[in-house]
Amino acid sequence: GNSVTQMEGPVTLSEEAFLTINCTYTATGYPSLFWYVQYPGEGLQLLLKATKADDKGSNKGFEATYRKETTSFHLEKGSVQVSDSAVYFCALWSAAGGSNYKLTFGKGTLLTVNP
Amino acid sequence: DAGVIQSPRHEVTEMGQEVTLRCKPISGHDYLFWYRQTMMRGLELLIYFNNNVPIDDSGMPEDRFSAKMPNASFSTLKIQPSEPRDSAVYFCASSWDRGNQYFGAGTRLSVL
Repeated sequence: GNSVTQMEGPVTLSEEAFLTINCTYTATGYPSLFWYVQYPGEGLQLLLKATKADDKGSNKGFEATYRKETTSFHLEKGSVQVSDSAVYFCALWSAAGGSNYKLTFGKGTLLTVNP
Repeated sequence: DAGVIQSPRHEVTEMGQEVTLRCKPISGHDYLFWYRQTMMRGLELLIYFNNNVPIDDSGMPEDRFSAKMPNASFSTLKIQPSEPRDSAVYFCASSWDRGNQYFGAGTRLSVL
């Protein structure tokens, strides 16, 4: 079946530091890949997405590139801010072995950015 | 648009009671999803609808859980009878593009 593995948290950084959150996946076919963000007390929000190999998704200074050869979709940001503190979820959209398409999430990575 | 609206935001109930969670999706979205989030199991898809029809309910944990979507602007998730292990945050999400899902703020359920 489909699965998403992302780096264990929590991740704690100082403001303006470089961020990488690793994400790898297992899927049949050609999935679409997503990063969602969840701020405290809120629901998830779509951060960025990529629908085919070598696509780069970007939003709010965050970027991730769909790497089919390494089955990865790592999230990066060059300079984090305190307001980026949240839980980040990697996800893939694909059908699993003949079943219906659905969004499969990783377990989430908590990011805390200190001033 | 106001986004996906869930009610109540918090629900505290006693074991054995019936619980009903409500969701109003974004107008024009024809997919609606119900998720459960816990520390132990993360985010789990319970069921999803397309054009008000249940498509995949394989994530519904057991017969105590049921979901309905009587029209395009309303859905309910019901737990009867509730148990302490049902305590979690329940999210509703809607979409026109399946993968691009818009989440509500969630209902935090505590079953005592």
